[in-house]
Order: sequence, then structure tokens, then C-alpha cells
Amino acid sequence: AQSVAQPEDQVNVAEGNPLTVKCTYSVSGNPYLFWYVQYPNRGLQFLLKYITGDNLVKGSYGFEAEFNKSQTSFHLKKPSALVSDSALYFCAVRDDNAGNMLTFGGGTRLMVKP
Amino acid sequence: NAGVTQTPKFRVLKTGQSMTLLCAQDMNHEYMYWYRQDPGMGLRLIHYSVGEGTTAKGEVPDGYNVSRLKKQNFLLGLESAAPSQTSVYFCASSQAATGTRSYNSPLHFGNGTRLTVT
Repeated sequence: AQSVAQPEDQVNVAEGNPLTVKCTYSVSGNPYLFWYVQYPNRGLQFLLKYITGDNLVKGSYGFEAEFNKSQTSFHLKKPSALVSDSALYFCAVRDDNAGNMLTFGGGTRLMVKP
Repeated sequence: NAGVTQTPKFRVLKTGQSMTLLCAQDMNHEYMYWYRQDPGMGLRLIHYSVGEGTTAKGEVPDGYNVSRLKKQNFLLGLESAAPSQTSVYFCASSQAATGTRSYNSPLHFGNGTRLTVT
């Protein structure tokens, strides 16, 4: 079975400060990890993914994520937050035993204040 | 380029009524999915399809049926709506790739259908 946890319902940061949105996962095989962002009244948009290779993955809008196998984590980061980054962020995982099933976390609301 | 289009955007049903949600994609994607989004629970997969004429159950399929008669369309049906089906429904599509990474193409989502069952 696969699962993903986002331990923070909301993260508050000031504009210009670095941000981190946390994600931990559990899989039975090799993990494939994703981050998506959702703006109000819209569907989710793909940000980045880790499949294999470098543990630091770079994605859209200046976001990056670090895969840590020993801690089973895939935290989303950005060096300098923008007010426009305020949105709902979802981590998702699939392992190579799960076929086409992608499991999403409960989401973390990011609030960036001017 | 429309991407993934869902209709309707909003709907209110009474318990026991039926309805069909329509999803259309213009990206020639092989895979299509229906998810429901509930507060604090993320997105849960209802049904999915890996090609025209094929469907499969996801994590929460009970009370829903789907059909994929054409590659670009994926329909989600509720035969007898219940208040527990009040949710926001999202359709998504993705490319098919070759090899073991077939399922790692990013999902493209529609803007959702907000359904209330009273």
C-alpha cells in the first residue's frame, strides 16, 4: 500500500523569505513523487516530479524539491516566496507496484504575506 | 488550446437523482481519470481509463459508473445520488509512455465540477 502525509494544514511565510512545504510518504516499492499546486476554483497544476537520479528536483515557478530516501520525505522548497505563490499544494506518490494509482496527500495551504 | 474541459461547473441534485459529468480533452491523451476532492482528504481516485473502451476502478468507485466510448471523452455517472457524494469532482488526463515509466507523465486537470446533493 502507498500513502502520503502532509503534516501541516497551513504554512505562513513573509514575502521574500524561503518556504518549505513538507511531505512524507510510504511505499512498498520504489517511489515516484509529485508536487501539484491548486489556485482557487481551478484544477491542479503539475509543478515537479522525482522519478530517479538527482535528489534535488527543479520545477516550475522557481520551486524545487528534495528527495530523501532515508527519511522518506519529499519537501517542496523555494528560496524566496512571492505573494502569488499563495495556493493549495499537494504532494502525490506512486510506487512501482501500484500501476496507475496516484495517491495524494491532504494538501497544505501556503499563505505568503507582503 | 482548451486542455481538459468539464461540464457542468456546478450542479445541485436531490437524493436519488441521477446525473452525468462530462470530461473532454483535446491533447490526444491515452489516460483519463476521475477524482473527487474533499476538505482535508486530498484527491481520491474514483475510476480511470487507459484507453478508449477500457475503464478500471480506483480507490473509491462505489456509487459511480464511467464510460470511455471515445478517446477524447470520459463520462462519470451517478445513478442514485447520495449526500455523501457532495464533493468537487476533477477530471484529468495524461500521456501514455513506453516502458516501466508509463504512469509517470504529469496529469492535466480540468477546473472541476462542484456537486451538492441535498
